[in-house]
Amino acid sequence: DGGITQSPKYLFRKEGQNVTLSCEQNLNHDAMYWYRQDPGQGLRLIYYSQIVNDFQKGDIAEGYSVSREKKESFPLTVTSAQKNPTAFYLCASSPDGRENTEAFFGQGTRLTVV
Amino acid sequence: GQSLEQPSEVTAVEGAIVQINCTYQTSGFYGLSWYQQHDGGAPTFLSYNALDGLEETGRFSSFLSRSDSYGYLLLQELQMKDSASYFCAVRPGGGNKLTFGTGTQLKVEL
Repeated sequence: DGGITQSPKYLFRKEGQNVTLSCEQNLNHDAMYWYRQDPGQGLRLIYYSQIVNDFQKGDIAEGYSVSREKKESFPLTVTSAQKNPTAFYLCASSPDGRENTEAFFGQGTRLTVV
Repeated sequence: GQSLEQPSEVTAVEGAIVQINCTYQTSGFYGLSWYQQHDGGAPTFLSYNALDGLEETGRFSSFLSRSDSYGYLLLQELQMKDSASYFCAVRPGGGNKLTFGTGTQLKVEL
């Protein structure tokens, strides 16, 4: 079955450590996204990628980094520079085509930094 | 920049009709979409309006007025399972940057 997979579902890290969240899709989508969601809040865009080897900063990119070496994969690294990393992180993908706004989401990773 | 504003919370009773509004300011507007998210879950796509007017999909309908920079999601025959957060979203400039609204939490009561 086609879909988008995030792992792990829950992640705990100590303060000051970098951590990488995985996102894999087999939908053959060109565009991929990372969002952060805090309790009771909306989805804020961290980074997005329109094509392999290319990505752009979203609205809250500071303290995060990404790579897009393969079409299927778009990992997100939460660095020690991110001041408040505890949050729910959602990865999404969408087909190429500017007017197609349907995005498909993974089940999310809940990151807790202690 | 762009902004999408929604009411933070709406409460309605089972069987009723509810309207969730979204007002937007964005450059190069191409269309408005809506997503549903249950607590702790992944957002799922509900609808997309590229042109003015009403789009109906079962119990859910979505409306767009480009001249007013306004849209809404209409949910009919509300069920308890409709309790969730609802987000409107746009792609500013028609590109792949997908931006979401602030979200509306819908509570359906007996």
